[in-house]
Amino acid sequence: SQTIHQWPATLVQPVGSPLSLECTVEGTSNPNLYWYRQAAGRGLQLLFYSVGIGQISSEVPQNLSASRPQDRQFILSSKKLLLSDSGFYLCAWMRGNTEAFFGQGTRLTVV
Amino acid sequence: GENVEQHPSTLSVQEGDSAVIKCTYSDSASNYFPWYKQELGKRPQLIIDIRSNVGEKKDQRIAVTLNKTAKHFSLHITETQPEDSAVYFCAAAHILTGGGNKLTFGTGTQLKVEL
Repeated sequence: SQTIHQWPATLVQPVGSPLSLECTVEGTSNPNLYWYRQAAGRGLQLLFYSVGIGQISSEVPQNLSASRPQDRQFILSSKKLLLSDSGFYLCAWMRGNTEAFFGQGTRLTVV
Repeated sequence: GENVEQHPSTLSVQEGDSAVIKCTYSDSASNYFPWYKQELGKRPQLIIDIRSNVGEKKDQRIAVTLNKTAKHFSLHITETQPEDSAVYFCAAAHILTGGGNKLTFGTGTQLKVEL
């Protein structure tokens, strides 16, 4: 069966520090991968999506970047975090137009 | 790009009553419309979905309707129970040129079922 792993679950980082969140998928090949951010009490904002290795599409201009070094690995990064980067980050995978599965999420607090 | 709007942002109903959440989308190429339920601090979970070749789908107390012409779809929950309290998200997806697909979410509805 397919599973999605996302870590860490919680993270507290100072302003100006770098960020690296990792997401891996098991049990499927060539998934579409997504990074979403959810601010407190708000909706799911699509940040990046990837349809294959090295292919990244950015949805909104921001302080973050994404990379897909392997078929089932998706990484969200920042060189210097801002206070406004705080939020709940969710990785998801989807294959074709079927159910999207989410990772457990990472609650990032930038202080 | 796709834009999904969702209403209302909050909804309070009495236990046993029905709840309706409505969404509209902008991209006529969208052809898959899932609904997710998110409990506090947890990941969203799919509760029901509908494809563009179907107008209505039902699963026990939950139903979804789709009007492709008007580009709107709705979630209906009947006989609501306290455990239905959560945030509900609608979404729209379509296949991208060159492969892959894109899933865009609405802004969410906080449903509260009161005793």
